[in-house]
Amino acid sequence: GENVEQHPSTLSVQEGDSAVIKCTYSDSASNYFPWYKQELGKGPQLIIDIRSNVGEKKDQRIAVTLNKTAKHFSLHITETQPEDSAVYFCAAGGPSGGSYIPTFGRGTSLIVHP
Amino acid sequence: GAGVSQSPSNKVTEKGKDVELRCDPISGHTALYWYRQSLGQGLEFLIYFQGNSAPDKSGLPSDRFSAERTGGSVSTLTIQRTQQEDSAVYLCASSLRTGGYNEQFFGPGTRLTVL
Repeated sequence: GENVEQHPSTLSVQEGDSAVIKCTYSDSASNYFPWYKQELGKGPQLIIDIRSNVGEKKDQRIAVTLNKTAKHFSLHITETQPEDSAVYFCAAGGPSGGSYIPTFGRGTSLIVHP
Repeated sequence: GAGVSQSPSNKVTEKGKDVELRCDPISGHTALYWYRQSLGQGLEFLIYFQGNSAPDKSGLPSDRFSAERTGGSVSTLTIQRTQQEDSAVYLCASSLRTGGYNEQFFGPGTRLTVL
């Protein structure tokens, strides 16, 4: 099955700095890579996703890059703000027997200091 | 419309008791997932329902865990003879499965504490 590694587990930055979270995956058949943000006491919420037919996707201050050859993908947050503080999860998945069940990384706790 | 709801939000139980956790998915979403989130861990997949197909139970950690989904909507996760290691946040998610990947919408979770 798929195995997703996520680093770092904790990331502390100053407001305005950039933050980068990296993930690797093991199954070359994976073709969907979502990123979720989980605020305290809430469920994860999708913030951006990328499919295997593109190498980069951007949405305002967040961007995701994908390197299928190396089997890694990254989340980039620019001009960080205190409200970006949360736990971020990457995931990877592909069709398996007709179902679509992504495998999640262990999460990165991002702390943005004002 | 309303998002995914879960009840109860918190549940404290004694070791050996049975518990039932409820998930109300977004109306019209045919796919429903249960995950377990232990402290400092990622989301551990438990079970997946898709329409009228047989559920994918490959993530259930033991036969003490079971889930059902009635009428293609509400789902209940049951844990029998709870153990302390069952303490975690149990998350439910639903998605609109029309083929290929679709965004998973998560509920706020049920925090289970087994004393």
